[in-house]
Amino acid sequence: NAGVTQTPKFQVLKTGQSMTLQCAQDMNHNSMYWYRQDPGMGLRLIYYSASEGTTDKGEVPNGYNVSRLNKREFSLRLESAAPSQTSVYFCASSEARTGTEAFFGQGTRLTVV
Amino acid sequence: LAKTTQPISMDSYEGQEVNITCSHNNIATNDYITWYQQFPSQGPRFIIQGYKTKVTNEVASLFIPADRKSSTLSLPRVSLSDTAVYYCLVGTPEAPGSARQLTFGSGTQLTVLP
Repeated sequence: NAGVTQTPKFQVLKTGQSMTLQCAQDMNHNSMYWYRQDPGMGLRLIYYSASEGTTDKGEVPNGYNVSRLNKREFSLRLESAAPSQTSVYFCASSEARTGTEAFFGQGTRLTVV
Repeated sequence: LAKTTQPISMDSYEGQEVNITCSHNNIATNDYITWYQQFPSQGPRFIIQGYKTKVTNEVASLFIPADRKSSTLSLPRVSLSDTAVYYCLVGTPEAPGSARQLTFGSGTQLTVLP
């Protein structure tokens, strides 16, 4: 079982460049999430999605866009990267009606120079 | 969403039992309590979840008093590999067709010493 797969694992961007972080889950989960984690900090929710075609803002959505392409895939786009977006990004998925158990990917380490 | 409070850090020695307490005074009737473990450079991993009283699995136990305003994660006989950040979350199961905001606090850094 792959679980939650994120690509790429590492990325270096120049300020102003754009990129899309990909996330896919094979557990048939309804809900998917994007978080960022800065050094020594907890996770902060960027966006989340309850189902295909629906997305909602989390705690820190500014500077990001998301697409829930289908039930499996949830992508995060940085249109114009800034050094403040240097962070580790985690994607997660969960299933409705099972409490608050979620499954996380291994993360994408993004550096914006 | 119920706010949680947990210690920033804890130290323990190998072989000891570790108890990490989380305070969640505003927990709602339908809220569950979930604990996650995170190693450096990895995503959080689900450890245990409960609603009331005591829950035990192969990794940990979760103690929840009757008023549910706090909970305690108990790790028996810790080893060096249990050094990690532990997060306590409080929230409700998803309603069909909707998602919840899963909010993580800063967690508790547990360091197990030899």
